[in-house]
Order: sequence, then structure tokens, then C-alpha cells
Amino acid sequence: NAGVTQTPKFRILKIGQSMTLQCTQDMNHNYMYWYRQDPGMGLKLIYYSVGAGITDKGEVPNGYNVSRSTTEDFPLRLELAAPSQTSVYFCASRTGRSNYGYTFGSGTRLTVV
Amino acid sequence: AQTVTQSQPEMSVQEAETVTLSCTYDTSESDYYLFWYKQPPSRQMILVIRQEAYKQQNATENRFSVNFQKAAKSFSLKISDSQLGDAAMYFCAYRSRMEYGNKLVFGAGTILRVKS
Repeated sequence: NAGVTQTPKFRILKIGQSMTLQCTQDMNHNYMYWYRQDPGMGLKLIYYSVGAGITDKGEVPNGYNVSRSTTEDFPLRLELAAPSQTSVYFCASRTGRSNYGYTFGSGTRLTVV
Repeated sequence: AQTVTQSQPEMSVQEAETVTLSCTYDTSESDYYLFWYKQPPSRQMILVIRQEAYKQQNATENRFSVNFQKAAKSFSLKISDSQLGDAAMYFCAYRSRMEYGNKLVFGAGTILRVKS
């Protein structure tokens, strides 16, 4: 049981480049989330999904896009990377039935130069 | 919108001593969950303890316990018999019971240093 898998773990992008952060979970969780963590700050919600085919904006969605074509995968797309997107990105998932039980991936450290 | 505030950017504790991390939150709801997460240098987010707002009894998990004051909207974490492995960033988080999406709202975190 792998849990939530994020790839890559590290990445350096040049300003204006694009990339996709991958997130896969094998627990059949309906709910999935993308958070970003800036230095010295808490996690802020970028996008979330309550099931395949459904996505919603979180607190800081500008500059990002997501899709949820399957229950397992929830990729985060960065278009035209900017230095302000330098951060650590976390994907998380949970079953809709539990009162708690969020499972987090190990994070992707992204640097935009 | 709900907010979570952790007013202590850093705390230090001597090994084997007790330390309390503070957390306050703002919500108009009466039914919600509160969490403390630990983030060691590995970046992994580890659930330490959780509290359901409708339960008056404070949650306890081994050396970790909370002081939940619902009227004051306060949720502090007490770590007893501190160990070197407790050194980490600690996040307080809130989740509405009824709100669509079951989203976690995090505080800014408190860095805990443990001295030997």
C-alpha cells in the first residue's frame, strides 16, 4: 500500500516554463487536495476535488490548473512559472467516510529561477 | 472563512521537560474538528492528535494531550517528557464538519527545538 505518491520530489524551473506535478493515491479515496507551503508559513489550499470529474478552487489557485479524470490521479499543472511559485507542494487525500484520516504525500520542492 | 493562528513562531524545551504550543481559531460553526500535525525535516506530515468539537473531553495520545477551550476558541498542545525526536514544525489545523470539500485550514506553524 503506497499511500499518496508525489513526483518529482525536487524540480528547478526557469521563469515562464510549465510543468505538471503528479499525485497518485491507491486507497480509493474520493477527496484529494493540493497545498503549497511557503517558508515559515502554513499550508495553503490551491485546489481540491471531491471525486473524479469534479474540481474546485482553494485559497490560492492563480497560476495553477488541475484535472481529476480518475479517482487515483490528481495532477497539478503550473503554466508560465513565476518566482512566486517557489514553494513545497503537498498532495493529500482522504476517504469521504472518515471523520479524519488525511494522508499526505512527501511533497515536491519546486524552485523557479 | 475560518482562520487558525499560531502565535509562537519558535519554542524551545529541555529534553524530558514539558512544553505547550498555542493555537487559536476563528469560526462561526459549532461542529468541527481540530488537529495537530508534526512535520519533521523529512517534510512528512504526521497526525499527532485530533479533537472533535462536540466532545468536551480533551484528547490524549501517549505523551501528547490537548487543552480544548471551545468558548475561547483555543486548542493548545502539551508535550510531556519531551524527546529529541519531538523536534519538528507543528501545525494546528481546523476542519469544518459540514462544509463542502472537508478542507483543512492550517496555522502558520511553530518550530519546536528540543535541547539535550
